[in-house]
Amino acid sequence: QVQLQESGPGLVKPSGTLSLTCGVSGDSISSSKWWTWVRQPPGKGLEWIGEIYHTGSTNYNPSLKSRVTIFIDKSKNQFSLNLNSVTAADTAVYYCARPSSGYSSGPLDYWGQGTLVTVSS
Amino acid sequence: DIQMTQSPSSLSASVGDRVTITCQASQDITKYLNWYQQKPGKAPNLLIYDASNLKPGVPSRFSGSGSGTDFTFTISSLQPEDIATYYCQQYDKLPLTFGGGTKVEIK
Repeated sequence: QVQLQESGPGLVKPSGTLSLTCGVSGDSISSSKWWTWVRQPPGKGLEWIGEIYHTGSTNYNPSLKSRVTIFIDKSKNQFSLNLNSVTAADTAVYYCARPSSGYSSGPLDYWGQGTLVTVSS
Repeated sequence: DIQMTQSPSSLSASVGDRVTITCQASQDITKYLNWYQQKPGKAPNLLIYDASNLKPGVPSRFSGSGSGTDFTFTISSLQPEDIATYYCQQYDKLPLTFGGGTKVEIK
């Protein structure tokens, strides 16, 4: 059973860096999947942040590209998100996700439970 | 970016009613369209992939259709447990983009 679990600080100061990790169990981070981050501001819709392949290749949302880094740690079977220069607009529930079996990308079938990150002083 | 326009943004229907949600893409995405259900405080749950394929284990009252730019999601007989917000998502081109969501409530 594939499971994903986000972890990281729930509160980040404005202009600081948001750092989250997604621990993966039931699958290898080296499998042929694009491991994905999605966020959802309170009461609003879903926004794709970006994705990473086990080779280290990444794709980012152009709206966040200048501030986002996604990286992978094969030894810990996890992948991580850094978002710098945060503002209140970055307050959101952050989800990590994995595409459905049989797909390297696209339909996101496995999700973490989500973690709320609040940007506030 | 491909814009996904979902309508309506909310609806209220009775148990047993047929519910239809539409999603329009700003350009041709062929069949690369997925539908998710999200209940309050929970992560989205994939229901339909590639426009019309029902994920195994998802009740058959859920269905999807369409191709190109126009897509439809249907609940054939609304049940109380279907109360949720539904999102479409395209994956034809990066960045992946979602519709604005449709909140479904019981009348």
